[in-house]
Amino acid sequence: AQKVTQAQTEISVVEKEDVTLDCVYETRDTTYYLFWYKQPPSGELVFLIRRNSFDEQNEISGRYSWNFQKSTSSFNFTITASQVVDSAVYFCALSEGNQGGKLIFGQGTELSVKP
Amino acid sequence: SQTIHQWPATLVQPVGSPLSLECTVEGTSNPNLYWYRQAAGRGLQLLFYSVGIGQISSEVPQNLSASRPQDRQFILSSKKLLLSDSGFYLCAWSWGPSGDQPQHFGDGTRLSIL
Repeated sequence: AQKVTQAQTEISVVEKEDVTLDCVYETRDTTYYLFWYKQPPSGELVFLIRRNSFDEQNEISGRYSWNFQKSTSSFNFTITASQVVDSAVYFCALSEGNQGGKLIFGQGTELSVKP
Repeated sequence: SQTIHQWPATLVQPVGSPLSLECTVEGTSNPNLYWYRQAAGRGLQLLFYSVGIGQISSEVPQNLSASRPQDRQFILSSKKLLLSDSGFYLCAWSWGPSGDQPQHFGDGTRLSIL
């Protein structure tokens, strides 16, 4: 069965610290897709990144980077030099091919960045 | 560009009253549409999804229902609300059913049942 686990419920850091949000997934499919979303206090979910199961290349976008490792079924998210505006709940999600696009979400990690 | 509209933003309803939440997408055709609920514990639960007009798949048994009367319109309804229906409801859309496309979410509706 498919599952996404975000073991860190809450993380608190001081501005400019680096922080890594962990995500571990379970699936039996060989074709799947992984996503990260950000949910600021206002409530809407903002899409950050998608990776497919055939592409383990890590990605960097500004202060954000993602590390995808199939060997450990992990898709971790690192924020470098965190800022107060990064404070939000971050969700990791899994989608399996040809399942109607359904997303299985982790429980989310609440990141608090203090000035 | 594509936009998704969801209303109302907040709603307070008594137990036993009916519910109708509406979601519309602009700027695309034949999108996949989804309804999620986020309870206080934070996790998002998929309630319904639709790959076309009149096609609704339900993920969990409940007293809610969904309809898609038009290509870009998705409606979440209930005939009689329960206290347990309180939560944050999010509508989303994506391109195609293959799962490789990200879902894009509306601003959500905060529903409180008294």
